[in-house]
Amino acid sequence: DAMVIQNPRYQVTQFGKPVTLSCSQTLNHNVMYWYQQKSSQAPKLLFHYYDKDFNNEADTPDNFQSRRPNTSFCFLDIRSPGLGDAAMYLCATSRDSGRAAEEQYFGPGTRLTVT
Amino acid sequence: RKEVEQDPGPFNVPEGATVAFNCTYSNSASQSFFWYRQDCRKEPKLLMSVYSSGNEDGRFTAQLNRASQYISLLIRDSKLSDSATYLCVVNRNGNNRLAFGKGNQVVVIP
Repeated sequence: DAMVIQNPRYQVTQFGKPVTLSCSQTLNHNVMYWYQQKSSQAPKLLFHYYDKDFNNEADTPDNFQSRRPNTSFCFLDIRSPGLGDAAMYLCATSRDSGRAAEEQYFGPGTRLTVT
Repeated sequence: RKEVEQDPGPFNVPEGATVAFNCTYSNSASQSFFWYRQDCRKEPKLLMSVYSSGNEDGRFTAQLNRASQYISLLIRDSKLSDSATYLCVVNRNGNNRLAFGKGNQVVVIP
């Protein structure tokens, strides 16, 4: 089945130690997104890629970076994780139909703990 | 004002009853509207898109009121398996970016 895969599902890192979360998709969608979701909060968009074009949200901290080496893969790098970065990180994909927004397909998420 | 506002609840619903809730959105230029379902500690999944004419999918009915900028979801004959958080989702400025509400938490009680 076509899907969005995230690895690892659970990640524990130390305060200040860089960490990378990965996402892959078999849907061949051209748009990929990274969201941060904290407990009882709405998913918050960090950035997205439209093909290879990177689009950062204005309020995303510089501590968060992303890479998309090809259509299938996208990475989230947290350069110096703080305690406040502990959250669920969700990767999503969508097609771009040229019209308004299409459905987004989410991966299962990576739950990040910072010690 | 937040882009999407929802009353988080929880909404405690007896099994078999009907529950309805609204969400309001601030951007009058939004063109795409969705309800997503999110189970505890899982990812959001699309429940249904919301069309201007309103739409129904089994026990679920969604309505859009552009003039008042709100979207509603009604669940009839609630099942225990309907217990989840229902996220109201609106696109931003007519593009691919989505704004999510905090969700309406529904707990169906036997």
